[in-house]
Amino acid sequence: KAGVTQTPRYLIKTRGQQVTLSCSPISGHRSVSWYQQTPGQGLQFLFEYFSETQRNKGNFPGRFSGRQFSNSRSEMNVSTLELGDSALYLCASSVTGGTGELFFGEGSRLTVL
Amino acid sequence: DQQVKQNSPSLSVQEGRISILNCDYTNSMFDYFLWYKKYPAEGPTFLISISSIKDKNEDGRFTVFLNKSAKHLSLHIVPSQPGDSAVYFCAATPTSNTGKLIFGQGTTLQVKP
Repeated sequence: KAGVTQTPRYLIKTRGQQVTLSCSPISGHRSVSWYQQTPGQGLQFLFEYFSETQRNKGNFPGRFSGRQFSNSRSEMNVSTLELGDSALYLCASSVTGGTGELFFGEGSRLTVL
Repeated sequence: DQQVKQNSPSLSVQEGRISILNCDYTNSMFDYFLWYKKYPAEGPTFLISISSIKDKNEDGRFTVFLNKSAKHLSLHIVPSQPGDSAVYFCAATPTSNTGKLIFGQGTTLQVKP
């Protein structure tokens, strides 16, 4: 069974640009969550999508947005990039978000210059 | 406001000895707790979980203890192996049916041969 796939794995952007990250969940998983990991901050929850609907949202500004497609694939977008957006962005999937056992991808490492 | 705290950024133990990783939380609404392990350049992987109705859960070399009155949980690894060297994240959620987890900052465990 293929794991969670995130693309791209690495990318470099400049301030003010926007970026779109993609996540393909494990087949059969309908819940997709996004997390931001920065040094010293652990993993911070961005949002969760289930059946194409945003089910939960973390405390991030409106520049961070996401969506989920009918095949459960998800994208997140960050507009007007700031230096502080440099981070590892992790996507996780689960069947329903149940039991809390999330399956994470390897992440997309974003560097903002 | 850090609702889940791992106060020890790092821990070093000798192979074969016990590793004890600690985690404190402040939100009494948390009902489900998990530990994840993360190797460099990989996404976190689920290790073990515990519901608030229990005070102990064991899986092989890994045991998680929960002290609800102290809002404290710990992960015991016995015996520790060099392959256990990784970053360990504690996470909590008010319900098991969600992709929204609140993570601690992580503890880097080094197991020396």
